Amino acid sequence: NAGVTQTPKFQVLKTGQSMTLQCAQDMNHEYMSWYRQDPGMGLRLIHYSVGAGITDQGEVPNGYNVSRSTTEDFPLRLLSAAPSQTSVYFCASSYSFISPNEQFFGPGTRLTVL
Amino acid sequence: AQKITQTQPGMFVQEKEAVTLDCTYDTSDQSYGLFWYKQPSSGEMIFLIYQGSYDEQNATEGRYSLNFQKARKSANLVISASQLGDSAMYFCAMRSDTNAGKSTFGDGTTLTVKP
Repeated sequence: NAGVTQTPKFQVLKTGQSMTLQCAQDMNHEYMSWYRQDPGMGLRLIHYSVGAGITDQGEVPNGYNVSRSTTEDFPLRLLSAAPSQTSVYFCASSYSFISPNEQFFGPGTRLTVL
Repeated sequence: AQKITQTQPGMFVQEKEAVTLDCTYDTSDQSYGLFWYKQPSSGEMIFLIYQGSYDEQNATEGRYSLNFQKARKSANLVISASQLGDSAMYFCAMRSDTNAGKSTFGDGTTLTVKP
């Protein structure tokens, strides 16, 4: 199993550009989430999904869109990048009913917006 | 709404000694899970230990144990016999069993193990 994969690993954008961060998992997990981690801080939930076709907003959803057309993939779209979106982005997945249903994290995408 | 508070931004411990990392939480849910994750300087997130709100015994995983005090809403992580490789950032997190797709993380504690 590859686990949770994220692409790209690094990205530099200019203000106003759009892009999609890719996330895929091969563990047949129902739940998937996107987080951002600012320097020296914890993880803040952007969006999450409890299954294909079902998404919901987290703590900091503004400026981001998600969709979940398959169980495996959960892309995160930045609509119009702003310097405040400079951060490290983590994708995570987990089972829904298998305890302890801990989250498995991808390696992260380091995004810089100029 | 859920909230996790980690009051220790940084902690130091001597190698081979035990250390406790504090975590308090706030929730109105009756059924929930509490998690600890480790983030080394390389950046990956590693799951350490889990405690369910209805578990009567404190969770243990090797050198990690979770001191769960439900009435105080605390879930402290105890690391015994610290090793240099334990130097990392540690995050406490929770998820409600009624909305398990949504997790809340604390701001983390940076642990430094001294030789």
